This record gives sequence, C-alpha cells and structure tokens, in this order.
Amino acid sequence: NAGVIQTPRHKVTGKGQEATLWCEPISGHSAVFWYRQTIVQGLEFLTYFRNQAPIDDSGMPKERFSAQMPNQSHSTLKIQSTQPQDSAVYLCASSRDWGCAETLYFGSGTRLTVL
Amino acid sequence: GDSVTQTEGQVALSEEDFLTIHCNYSASGYPTLFWYVQYPGEGPQLLFRASRDKEKGSSRGFEATYDKGTTSFHLRKASVQESDSAVYYCALSDGSTGNTGKLIFGLGTTLQVQP
Repeated sequence: NAGVIQTPRHKVTGKGQEATLWCEPISGHSAVFWYRQTIVQGLEFLTYFRNQAPIDDSGMPKERFSAQMPNQSHSTLKIQSTQPQDSAVYLCASSRDWGCAETLYFGSGTRLTVL
Repeated sequence: GDSVTQTEGQVALSEEDFLTIHCNYSASGYPTLFWYVQYPGEGPQLLFRASRDKEKGSSRGFEATYDKGTTSFHLRKASVQESDSAVYYCALSDGSTGNTGKLIFGLGTTLQVQP
C-alpha cells in the first residue's frame, strides 16, 4: 500500500498562471479531502468528496479554486489565475469511510509557490 | 463554528523532560478528538483519538484524556526523545454536522527536543 500519492511535490507558477494538483487516494477508500497548510493559518479544510461526489466545499475560495474527482482513483485541485497568497502546501487525504471517528491518511503534499 | 485552540506555538525541551501541550476545543455537538503528528516533508499522521468523555487515547508513550467538562484534550508524555521532534496538531470531528469526518485542526505546536 503506497499511501496517498500527490503529484507534483513542488510546483512553481507565475502570477496569473493556472496550477493543477493531483491526488491518488488509497485504494478502497471512499472519502477524499483537500486541505491547505500555511504557517499563519495552519491546516485549513478546503473540500471533501464521498464516493466521488462533492459533499462539502465550504472551505474553497469561491473564485479561482475548483476540485474534481472523475473516478475513484484520483482527484484534482485546480487553481486558476494563481496569486502569491495561494502559495502554500496543499494536502490531500483519504479515509476508508466518512464517520466522525475515521482516520485521515494524508499524502506528503504539493508545495505551490506563486512568484 | 467549531474550533480548536492550542496554547503553545513552540515547545523546546531536553531529552527525558516531561511534555504537556494544551488543547481546548469548542463544538456544538459531541466531537471526536484527535492528535496528529507531522514530521518534516510528510503529511500529518494519526497519533490517537478519543470519542467519549473520560476516554484516554494513547500511542508511543503519548496520551491524552477527553474532558468534556473543561473541553480539553491535553497531550502529555512522561519522557520525550529527540525523535519526538515534530509538529503536533489537535483536531476535532463533529458528527452533529452530518457525520462528515471533516477535521478541524488547531494551529499546531512545534516540539524541539535537544539531545
């Protein structure tokens, strides 16, 4: 079991460019989460899928950010027209089920730097 | 909304010292409480959880007791080692909001242990 796989590990974009981040959850896990990690804000919830269906995107900035899960083996987080304040580590996690006591298994993250 | 407060941003100790990291929470329901640990270059990983009042969670010498009366879940370890150096996150999952499994994290506490 390779764990949650995130690619790329590092991404550098220029201001205004698009960034797409990829996540492969653990096989058999039914819930996928995206978090953003910064020094100032810590770990912020962005969005969550259950059996590929979007359930809660309350943490997603309303403009420029979108997430999809086209099949059970991967999810993407897309940021259009990136801004310097989008610089952060973006973490993907999966869990076997969606109960409140479930363990989240995190990937190592994608470090996004917007110049 | 739900929130988690970790009092200490950074803790510096020597090996064999006693560790306490304070965690207090605010939630409308009866949350499950977690401690996660994050090592450099990796995503957070579960240390342990507790779901009921007075329940003690423990792992690798770390422990915390769920206290609904004081809304606390303080992390303790009797004798820290250099290998315990990491960032520790307290988190909650509130099942009253639909059993989502979404975690709300504290800002984290960086533990540095000197040999």
